[in-house]
Amino acid sequence: AQTVTQSQPEMSVQEAETVTLSCTYDTSESNYYLFWYKQPPSRQMILVIRQEAYKQQNATENRFSVNFQKAAKSFSLKISDSQLGDTAMYFCAFMKDQGAQKLVFGQGTRLTINP
Amino acid sequence: NAGVMQNPRHLVRRRGQEARLRCSPMKGHSHVYWYRQLPEEGLKFMVYLQKENIIDESGMPKERFSAEFPKEGPSILRIQQVVRGDSAAYFCASSPPGNRYTEAFFGQGTRLTVV
Repeated sequence: AQTVTQSQPEMSVQEAETVTLSCTYDTSESNYYLFWYKQPPSRQMILVIRQEAYKQQNATENRFSVNFQKAAKSFSLKISDSQLGDTAMYFCAFMKDQGAQKLVFGQGTRLTINP
Repeated sequence: NAGVMQNPRHLVRRRGQEARLRCSPMKGHSHVYWYRQLPEEGLKFMVYLQKENIIDESGMPKERFSAEFPKEGPSILRIQQVVRGDSAAYFCASSPPGNRYTEAFFGQGTRLTVV
C-alpha cells in the first residue's frame, strides 16, 4: 500500500518570502502521479500542481514549483513570493498510474502567510 | 459548466439517525469518488463508483456505510445509525470516463456533525 507523509504540521512565513513544504511517499509502483492540493478555510480542494513520475523535469505553475526526487521518494512544494491568499492547508497526494484514480493524501501542512 | 455540487453543505444528525449525502458530478463525468476528512487530517478514500456500479469500496467501513450512483440522479453516500465518530467532512470528486489519468474535480464537501 502507498503512504504519504508530511512531516511539517504547521509553517509560518512573512509575505513575499519563499517557503518549501516537504512530502515523502512510499510505493513500489514505477509509474504514478503526485499532487499538491490547497484547502483554504472554505474547504474547497484546489489542485495546485501535478507531477508525472516518468517526467524528470520538475513541474512549475507560476509561483509554485516542485522538487521531485524519485529515488529518494521526495516531492516538496516551493512557493515563491508568498501572498496572503496562500494561507491554507496544503496536502500532498499520490495516485497510481493505472486503475482507479483514487488519491492517497498526506496529513497536511497548515501554512500561514503573515503580513 | 457547474462544478461538482454537494448538498447539504452542513448536516446535523443525532446519534442513531441516518445521514444522506448527495453529490452531483460535473456534466459529462461518469466517475465519482467519495473521501472522508476527519478533523485535522488528510482526506481518506472511501469508494469509487461509475454509473450503476461500485468499482472500488476498499475504504468503506464494513457496516452502516453504503454508496450508490444510479443511472439518473446524484451519487448518494448513506450512513445508517450514525455515531459521534462519523462526524467529519465528506468530499465527492468526479472525473470523465476513461482509464488514463484525468483531473478529478472536488466538491466543497458536506460537514456532518453527530450530536
